[in-house]
Amino acid sequence: DAKTTQPPSMDCAEGRAANLPCNHSTISGNEYVYWYRQIHSQGPQYIIHGLKNNETNEMASLIITEDRKSSTLILPHATLRDTAVYYCIVPPGAGNNRKLIWGLGTSLAVNP
Amino acid sequence: NAGVTQTPKFQVLKTGQSMTLQCAQDMNHEYMSWYRQDPGMGLRLIHYSVGAGITDQGEVPNGYNVSRSTTEDFPLRLLSAAPSQTSVYFCASTAYNEQFFGPGTRLTVL
Repeated sequence: DAKTTQPPSMDCAEGRAANLPCNHSTISGNEYVYWYRQIHSQGPQYIIHGLKNNETNEMASLIITEDRKSSTLILPHATLRDTAVYYCIVPPGAGNNRKLIWGLGTSLAVNP
Repeated sequence: NAGVTQTPKFQVLKTGQSMTLQCAQDMNHEYMSWYRQDPGMGLRLIHYSVGAGITDQGEVPNGYNVSRSTTEDFPLRLLSAAPSQTSVYFCASTAYNEQFFGPGTRLTVL
């Protein structure tokens, strides 16, 4: 499994962009990068995933470096409701979203 | 469309008691799974199922049983509760690129 490394915590001002980094230097060529978040005590929520191209949806953007060894999740205009733990996960095998290995993630605090 | 539902939300058991945590989904997903989350830790996979009648063990299966008689339901059974099973339990239902999680069951074993 590709191991991921994330900072344990980050702060962001409300209304500013939140940029959450993730290192996955052992990622294989066919493995995807997934991002989930967990708002306090709730079940995790899917945010976005990508293989090599940058991806954007209504929640966030995902920027993957050309060598695919790291990625950044961008919340363009963070709100207080974005305060959560954000998990970067690289499941084994191509397109395998089933067996996720969850680390400790990054605890993002959005401050007023 | 209710998504993934879990019952109960909270439960307190005494050591040695048994109980079943219920999980249901209405999205017709074949793959479902159970996780536990202990304080300050990431989720750990207990059991999973790739379809009705098919289950398999995850990372931490000891002390838990599962069955999958229908696509919709995936109950988790604690055979003889132990304090080490005090945790928050999440059920998930998986589409190809996204796992949908239930709200969780907070279990305390005294």
